[in-house]
Amino acid sequence: SQTIHQWPATLVQPVGSPLSLECTVEGTSNPNLYWYRQAAGRGLQLLFYSVGIGQISSEVPQNLSASRPQDRQFILSSKKLLLSDSGFYLCAWSPPDPYEQYFGPGTRLTVT
Amino acid sequence: GQNIDQPTEMTATEGAIVQINCTYQTSGFNGLFWYQQHAGEAPTFLSYNVLDGLEEKGRFSSFLSRSKGYSYLLLKELQMKDSASYLCAVTDSNYQLIWGAGTKLIIKP
Repeated sequence: SQTIHQWPATLVQPVGSPLSLECTVEGTSNPNLYWYRQAAGRGLQLLFYSVGIGQISSEVPQNLSASRPQDRQFILSSKKLLLSDSGFYLCAWSPPDPYEQYFGPGTRLTVT
Repeated sequence: GQNIDQPTEMTATEGAIVQINCTYQTSGFNGLFWYQQHAGEAPTFLSYNVLDGLEEKGRFSSFLSRSKGYSYLLLKELQMKDSASYLCAVTDSNYQLIWGAGTKLIIKP
């Protein structure tokens, strides 16, 4: 069966510091991968998605970036965090044939 | 533009039935999903509709009318653990998921 891992679970970072969140999927090959952000009490905002190694599509211009160095690894990064980057970050995967997305446990980021 | 509308919040009583509606306007349609999200947790998949009609899965059912751009999620025999947000999402012509803001369901004893 497929599983998706995401870490860390919680993170408190000062403004201006760098960020690296990692997501890995097990039990499947060539998944579509997604990064979302969810502000408190709000809906899901798609940040990036990837259909293959090195292929990244950005949905929202911001100070975040994403990379996919391996088939089942997806990394969200920032060089300098802003207060507005605080939120609940979710990684998700779906099969190559478009179908439902499965979410990792999420990372709660607080920028102070 | 692409738009998905759901009520912001609903309240229901334990043991009762509740219907959560979702209307959508998207560029193309390749399926509609319902997810459940408990506070502080990740969304989990509930149901998928691509053809018109009702899909039943235990206490949960989901209905779709493509001609009306309309779906609902029906929850029967409500339990306290059903208190959560319910997210409607539609796959557009590019197979991208467009998400609604979610409906917060409050269950009272």
